[in-house]
Order: sequence, then structure tokens, then C-alpha cells
Amino acid sequence: QQQVKQSPQSLIVQKGGIPIINCAYENTAFDYFPWYQQFPGKGPALLIAIRPDVSEKKEGRFTISFNKSAKQFSLHIMDSQPGDSATYFCAASKSQGAQKLVFGQGTRLTINP
Amino acid sequence: DVKVTQSSRYLVKRTGEKVFLECVQDMDHENMFWYRQDPGLGLRLIYFSYDVKMKEKGDIPEGYSVSREKKERFSLILESASTNQTSMYLCASVSLLYEQYFGPGTRLTVT
Repeated sequence: QQQVKQSPQSLIVQKGGIPIINCAYENTAFDYFPWYQQFPGKGPALLIAIRPDVSEKKEGRFTISFNKSAKQFSLHIMDSQPGDSATYFCAASKSQGAQKLVFGQGTRLTINP
Repeated sequence: DVKVTQSSRYLVKRTGEKVFLECVQDMDHENMFWYRQDPGLGLRLIYFSYDVKMKEKGDIPEGYSVSREKKERFSLILESASTNQTSMYLCASVSLLYEQYFGPGTRLTVT
């Protein structure tokens, strides 16, 4: 019940395309859903996060869509650029307590020029 | 900007050695975490600490211990390093808004 399942494992998109990465969770107590971006040789960096009281959140070219009934959320990258090539992780946690994040397995995204 | 630093970027140790990985944050965060990252497995929580001298096991604590003597510093200890502990180790601290800030990672190789 603690798992977060992420797909696909890898994704190749042409510049300007809209890559979509999906995550599914089981624990209905989760109420915080962040996405992290990691470049080679660096630690993950918080990209965008959403809470279940909204169905969509946009920050620049990045959008999270959230479907509470399906227990799924996804990351969309509009007008993707080669500089967006990185590994993306979704995660989920409960607000109470130690805020432990449960991470998805990661998606290696490549944007071809 | 929050800064989380880790003592080494790359480390090579021999089987059986005691290994110390140090993490320091500069934002007075109470919660700190240690993860290991392996291809295809994502980030897995080893230990976390929610206050000085307070710690809890994560999902994969076996073979590891931690120390938090000061609020800004959280250390991960491999008591007797083994080859299956070769991995990328990531430290994070958490803000009051639940945002986890990661350090750059330590790539540990145990031979």
C-alpha cells in the first residue's frame, strides 16, 4: 500500500513534443505529490508539487494533472526542450508525521533536438 | 537558497571497512533523510531523523546506522561495508512546507 508506481521507465520525445509521465498510488492517506527532476551527477531537485484539493497545477511549462478517484497523477512538459532531458521521479507522502516520501522508480526522459 | 552538502562526491572503500557519510544543511530543518539510489529502484529510504538524537528506520536500514548529534548534521554509517552497498547515497532535509531538498549525492563503491 506504500508503493508508487511510475511509468514509463524511459521516454524519448522530439523537441517541442509533450512528454507525459504517469504515477499511481494506493495509499489514500497520501496528500502531497511532488515531482523531482534529476540531472546526471546531481541530487534530485523539486520541480512542482500538488495537493489533492486541486486537479491541475501549472508552473511554467510543467503541469501536474491529478485524478483523486483513480489515485493517479501525471507530469506533462509543454514545448519540451533538449535541456529537459533528465530523470524524473514522482513521489507521495502524508502531511502528518515525518513527511516521508515514497518515490516512484523514475523515468529517464530524452528530448531529441 | 537551501543548501545541503555531503562530505564526499565519490568514495571507494574496501569490504569490511567502516564508512562515514556526512550531510550538513543550513536551514535549521528538523527532519533529515538518508536514501540510496539504484537504477530501476528509485530512491529508497534508509533512515530518517526528526530531531537531534532522534532517528527512525526507513525501508532498508539493514547494515546501516545513523547519528544526529547536532541539528544541522546527519551522518550515515556503514558498520562493515559490503559490495551490495555500492550505490549512490543521497541526503535530504525537509522544510515546514514538506519540500525535500537534496544534496549532490555520494557515489560509494565497495570493492
